[in-house]
Amino acid sequence: DAKTTQPNSMESNEEEPVHLPCNHSTISGTDYIHWYRQLPSQGPEYVIHGLTSNVNNRMASLAIAEDRKSSTLILHRATLRDAAVYYCILSNPIQGGSEKLVFGKGTKLTVNP
Amino acid sequence: ETGVTQSPTHLIKTRGQQVTLRCSSQSGHNTVSWYQQALGQGPQFIFQYYREEENGRGNFPPRFSGLQFPNYSSELNVNALELDDSALYLCASSSGLPIYNEQFFGPGTRLTVL
Repeated sequence: DAKTTQPNSMESNEEEPVHLPCNHSTISGTDYIHWYRQLPSQGPEYVIHGLTSNVNNRMASLAIAEDRKSSTLILHRATLRDAAVYYCILSNPIQGGSEKLVFGKGTKLTVNP
Repeated sequence: ETGVTQSPTHLIKTRGQQVTLRCSSQSGHNTVSWYQQALGQGPQFIFQYYREEENGRGNFPPRFSGLQFPNYSSELNVNALELDDSALYLCASSSGLPIYNEQFFGPGTRLTVL
């Protein structure tokens, strides 16, 4: 399974931008890059995903390097509710044309008031 | 629109027993994936069901089995429980095969094996 590398933890201040890095040097040409986050005592929550181009949605932006070996999740203005473990995930193909999510340990984001 | 629900919330079993965990998919979703999350770790893929058929399996022994019903709800069964089976069990549903589609996770069932 293709792997990702993330820092164990990061800190940010409220209302400041946060850049969460992820390395995925073994990514293949068809692997999508997914980001999920897990708030305390909850299941993971989808944040964003992309293939090659940078992506924006209401929650965050995803910047993907040109060689696709790294990506950065950008939270434009962190709030206390953004404190969570953020997982950078490469989807891995399984039978039937589907895929599974292979989670690492993620980055624990602390947001200071 | 009702989200993904799981039952029970918590469960305590003893080694050697069997357990059944349940998951109700989000409305309109026909794919369910199950994950095991040990304390301090990321979720690990157990298996996936699509339209009532198993559609892929992770590195879990056969004593982990599942079922998906015509209404797309799902069960995870674990036989001969071991202490290492203690974990949070998560199910996630999606509309169609989750290649491009986000997966919606339930809150999980916390299983403790004594």
